[in-house]
Amino acid sequence: QVQLQESGPGLVKPSQTLSLTCTVSGDSISSGTYYWNWIRQPAGKGLEWIGLIYSSGSTDYNPSLKSRVAISVDTSKNQFSLRLSSVTAADTAVYYCARDGRPTTPRDNWFDPWGQGTLVTVSS
Amino acid sequence: QSVLTQPPSVSGAPGQRVTISCTGNNSNIGATFDVHWYQQFPGTVPKLLIYANTNRPSGVPDRFSGSKSGTSASLAITGLQAEDEADYYCQSYDLSLSGSRVFGGGTKLTVL
Repeated sequence: QVQLQESGPGLVKPSQTLSLTCTVSGDSISSGTYYWNWIRQPAGKGLEWIGLIYSSGSTDYNPSLKSRVAISVDTSKNQFSLRLSSVTAADTAVYYCARDGRPTTPRDNWFDPWGQGTLVTVSS
Repeated sequence: QSVLTQPPSVSGAPGQRVTISCTGNNSNIGATFDVHWYQQFPGTVPKLLIYANTNRPSGVPDRFSGSKSGTSASLAITGLQAEDEADYYCQSYDLSLSGSRVFGGGTKLTVL
């Protein structure tokens, strides 16, 4: 059974960089079977896809966040990470990591399973 | 403003049938990209409900069904139950700009 777990600081100051890590168990990122995603949800609002990464390190990002986002992978630790720079209060949200549902399909795909999510608050 | 448009809310009485629409355009649903649906209870993780337009993951009751036509998709729930009260999101892929996976704005289902 695949499980994902987000970790990282719950509080980030404005203008700084948000950094989160997703640790995967029950599946191997290095197998190259799936793409791995970050998704966020501000309190009381909808879901927003942030971006994805493949085991090779290739990435794709939401155009609205592309200038501030970097997703990386550490296959030796079976983890992938999110960095979001120049954060503002608008970046306050629950951040989820999720695996793709269908193998090796970078565009037309769904998210399953998901991590439990981690709340990141941007405040001074 | 979400690329995929959903009604903010729908409601129905127990036992009734409700549908939730997800309207896109020729850059997403109309470009033959699949539509997927998620169910989310307050304070919990979104759960995959329907994938690739019409398919139910194991464990999802057959009261839930999905369909897609042209630039729109729909989620239908029959035999409505109190436990179905939740937020529902559609998701697809959009070709505009550089391309992106996109979600609808979400629909709050209230069971009367």
